[in-house]
Amino acid sequence: SYELAQPPSVSVSPGQTASITCSGDKLGDKYACWYQQRPGQSPVLVIYQDNKRPSGIPERFSGSNSGNTATLTISGTQAMDEADYYCQAWDTSTAVFGGGTKLTVL
Amino acid sequence: QLQLQESGPGLLKPSETLSLTCTVSGGSISTVSYYWGWIRQPPGKGLEWIANIYYSGSTYYNPSLKSRVTISVDTSKNQFSLKLSSVTAADTAVYYCARRNGGNTDSYFDYWGQGTLVTVSS
Repeated sequence: SYELAQPPSVSVSPGQTASITCSGDKLGDKYACWYQQRPGQSPVLVIYQDNKRPSGIPERFSGSNSGNTATLTISGTQAMDEADYYCQAWDTSTAVFGGGTKLTVL
Repeated sequence: QLQLQESGPGLLKPSETLSLTCTVSGGSISTVSYYWGWIRQPPGKGLEWIANIYYSGSTYYNPSLKSRVTISVDTSKNQFSLKLSSVTAADTAVYYCARRNGGNTDSYFDYWGQGTLVTVSS
């Protein structure tokens, strides 16, 4: 079965850039999306189709996908961005989620 | 604004069947191009996709759960439902319903319910 790997945790200082990676076999040939989940809340879509932002998502969130790695980048990270982030892609009509990355804003 | 709301029992015994319903408001479940899905999250763990359904009844299942899962839709009530049979403690999780937007390879879950915790315990 297809798998997506994410680092368990990433730390960033306020105002700096955070990068969260998602790795999978030939992931660049698929579309990746990203969800933010704050404690006790439902996931929120922050990036879809590799690099598109839904309405209402700040411009500091961006995405890319090439080769075997998709990357979520948060520029000018704010304290409110501290959350778990999950990547997701499709493999033969099956939705696959990465294991999640806890972003800590120190 | 589209809203999804899960409902169903919060406590089950091992071997019972989990039954959840998602009620969609603020939009029609019969809208072309949208699938409707279930995703779960065990306490302290990551997200796991369970199944999707189209208003016409077309379905997709997670192969790892397919033998125990049934997803169905009731367009007259603007609802879709999940049944998971023979539950064990490993099925304890928050269950989310969500709307899938897009095609088979480029879609994403853009609206989520608040989630409902289902605990399996004897």
